[in-house]
Amino acid sequence: AQSVAQPEDQVNVAEGNPLTVKCTYSVSGNPYLFWYVQYPNRGLQFLLKYITGDNLVKGSYGFEAEFNKSQTSFHLKKPSALVSDSALYFCAVRPLAGGSYIPTFGRGTSLIVHP
Amino acid sequence: EAQVTQNPRYLITVTGKKLTVTCSQNMNHEYMSWYRQDPGLGLRQIYYSMNVEVTDKGDVPEGYKVSRKEKRNFPLILESPSPNQTSLYFCASSSLGISPDGTSGWLLSYNEQFFGPGTRLTVL
Repeated sequence: AQSVAQPEDQVNVAEGNPLTVKCTYSVSGNPYLFWYVQYPNRGLQFLLKYITGDNLVKGSYGFEAEFNKSQTSFHLKKPSALVSDSALYFCAVRPLAGGSYIPTFGRGTSLIVHP
Repeated sequence: EAQVTQNPRYLITVTGKKLTVTCSQNMNHEYMSWYRQDPGLGLRQIYYSMNVEVTDKGDVPEGYKVSRKEKRNFPLILESPSPNQTSLYFCASSSLGISPDGTSGWLLSYNEQFFGPGTRLTVL
């Protein structure tokens, strides 16, 4: 069975500082990984995905994520946080081939960026 | 504008009263799905559909029905709602393509999903 862990319910960071939102996963075979963001009273929006290739993936709004196969992690990062980045962030995984087509989402991490 | 729409956005109902939440997308996507979002549990998939007349259960299908008679629409039906179905519901869609490594017999590429704005359902 596949699973995703987002170990922090909430991450607090000051505006201008770098931010990291952690995600670890478990899946059979190679993973297909996603990050989504949910702003208040809105649906989820796609940020970035990892399929194959370069371990550092760049996405929307200046976010990037680093895939680490040995640590089975896919942490979301941004060099300089903005107050407008405050939102709920979800990591998701499914097998790249075979297995379940149903993506597994993490429980979400609330990012709060303080002015 | 490419979008997924859901109606209603908010609904308060009583136990046992059948209801339908509509979902429509204008991107000609093959894949559509329904999720529920509950505090501390993240998103859990209820049902999904690979194309017209093709639907399958997700992780939490009990108490729900879906249909896919047209490509753009994927309604969620609660025949006899109960209080434990009080939740925030999201519809999503994505296009299908060829798997990057081509090893799957389904040749399925799970592209990023586009989500609707959500429907907050309260069952009293």
